[in-house]
Amino acid sequence: DQQVKQNSPSLSVQEGRISILNCDYTNSMFDYFLWYKKYPAEGPTFLISISSIKDKNEDGRFTVFLNKSAKHLSLHIVPSQPGDSAVYFCAAASGGSYIPTFGRGTSLIVHP
Amino acid sequence: DAGITQSPRHKVTETGTPVTLRCHQTENHRYMYWYRQDPGHGLRLIHYSYGVKDTDKGEVSDGYSVSRSKTEDFLLTLESATSSQTSVYFCAITLTSGGAEDTQYFGPGTRLTVL
Repeated sequence: DQQVKQNSPSLSVQEGRISILNCDYTNSMFDYFLWYKKYPAEGPTFLISISSIKDKNEDGRFTVFLNKSAKHLSLHIVPSQPGDSAVYFCAAASGGSYIPTFGRGTSLIVHP
Repeated sequence: DAGITQSPRHKVTETGTPVTLRCHQTENHRYMYWYRQDPGHGLRLIHYSYGVKDTDKGEVSDGYSVSRSKTEDFLLTLESATSSQTSVYFCAITLTSGGAEDTQYFGPGTRLTVL
């Protein structure tokens, strides 16, 4: 039973446009959420996170939005660049556990 | 860069043989993890460690064992490899206290093929 779901296995976007990657979770105990980015043949790298006390966190071109009532978060990349092409993993953790639960990932392709 | 190395980076082995993967870190981080990544499954936790000789099971621990006899090394062993264990294996650490807000830093991965 997946507690963190990324229902879109892939997403294709034109360079310069917005990329929106979605993530849903089922465990109401989750209070911290993270996004990781993974290039082929490399380990995942941390991208951005958000605590449940916030509904938005921004870092440069990357913004994460959290809707706790809907148990939904999204990652916005504006503007998208070809170098953003990677697999993006959503992850969630609770205060009582330091081990995040990962979604299955969304493969983003940004076309020049 | 959190100073994480994994060895070997690639390995091909036969069904039934034992395999040990090594994760080495240089900065004395307390928490270490082993994940496997498979298409359609994302990252799944195999085992983790919260200190020397302190380990616990993750989501997909069957068929795997781990050992941590010193802070810097976390070993993952497949006692008798099966084709279902063909995967990419990632080691990870967390930098500070291991709280929910601590991000994980991943090694470069080991690609294991079991024939």
